[in-house]
Formats: sequence, C-alpha cells, structure tokens
Amino acid sequence: KAGVTQTPRYLIKTRGQQVTLSCSPISGHRSVSWYQQTPGQGLQFLFEYFSETQRNKGNFPGRFSGRQFSNSRSEMNVSTLELGDSALYLCASIRTGGVQETQYFGPGTRLLVL
Amino acid sequence: AQSVTQLDSQVPVFEEAPVELRCNYSSSVSVYLFWYVQYPNQGLQLLLKYLSGSTLVKGINGFEAEFNKSQTSFHLRKPSVHISDTAEYFCAVSERGSYIPTFGRGTSLIVHP
Repeated sequence: KAGVTQTPRYLIKTRGQQVTLSCSPISGHRSVSWYQQTPGQGLQFLFEYFSETQRNKGNFPGRFSGRQFSNSRSEMNVSTLELGDSALYLCASIRTGGVQETQYFGPGTRLLVL
Repeated sequence: AQSVTQLDSQVPVFEEAPVELRCNYSSSVSVYLFWYVQYPNQGLQLLLKYLSGSTLVKGINGFEAEFNKSQTSFHLRKPSVHISDTAEYFCAVSERGSYIPTFGRGTSLIVHP
C-alpha cells in the first residue's frame, strides 16, 4: 500500500509570509504527527492529530498550527515566517497510536525561508 | 521529561567491520526506546524498538540493540556493516504509554569501502 506522502517536497518563502504543508497518511491510519528537523535543534515534535482533534502538542509558538480533515489528511500552517523556520518538516502516521504499532514517516517537505 | 544523548556525532567504519552506535537516555519514568534510520533525502524508518520483555531487541537490516536499565543505555550494534548502511541514525525515547518520541541529535554512520 502507498506510504505517507507530503506535498510539496520543496518550498522557498520569504520572511513574513505564511506557508501550508500537506500530509496524506497511509490508508487506514487515523493519527498524523508533525516534526521539525533542523541542524541546530535536531528533530522536534510539533503536534499530533487524531480523528480531526489535536491530541498532543510540542513546545512551539502559536505561529505553528495544524488541522486534520475527515479523510485523515493533515495540513500544517506556519504564519509570519522567520529565517529560523527553515527546516525539513516531517509527517508521520500511525493507525491509532497504540504502542505496539509502528509510526511511518513521509519523505518530508524542505522549507527554505529567505 | 526525557532526554537522549547520542555520544558520537559521526562514526566512520570500514565495510564488513562491526559497529556500535551509543545512546544514553534520562527519564524520571519508565520509557520505551527506539532507533530510527534516515537515508539522504528521505524520512525516518524505524529500525527497532524496546517496549518491554527481553532486553536484547532485534531489528531490520541485521541491527540489534540492548536495553541496559542500570546504565540507562540503548546501544545499537551490527556485526558487519555494508556500504548501504551509510545514513543518519537517531535514538529516541518516549514515556511508557506514549509512542511520541524525544529524539537524540543523531549519529552519522559512514561506511568506507
């Protein structure tokens, strides 16, 4: 079956703009998590959505937001972009979130803020 | 809160040699432990995870890891590496009951011919 897909794969924005990233989970997976990966901070958890509700949240400012649709697809939005938001944004899906399950990651969206 | 320390940022090794990537964690509660691999321009792939039971965990691609509670370590090993094992490896920890991990900074494994 198809894996986790993320669009777009690459994006260039300028400071102050906003951006929306999309993630389509594996079919049947109802939970989607987002992570930010930067050389300076490493991999950090942003938030998790399950059945259209935010279930967990990491320590990021309110400029970072997300949502999940009824088909489990998720979007992540960053408003008022800063240079430090340049990163690889990874999305992962899991069926429900039971610890016996495996989280599957997409290839990521690489965002460059100029 | 948990934290993870990967003791080596880069590990060079020759093909067919054994390798160990070191990981220590700290947590005030019981934890689950994970190792992920990231190949260039790709997302993360789970190599193995420790939830409970046997402290020696076998994963994909010939990797294994041993959970040592007294030393709060979860080192990753492979007896004989291949060029294709060149990648970034991440150790991660989550609180028992949660699958959402806190990641280490990563170790770059570089396999030379």
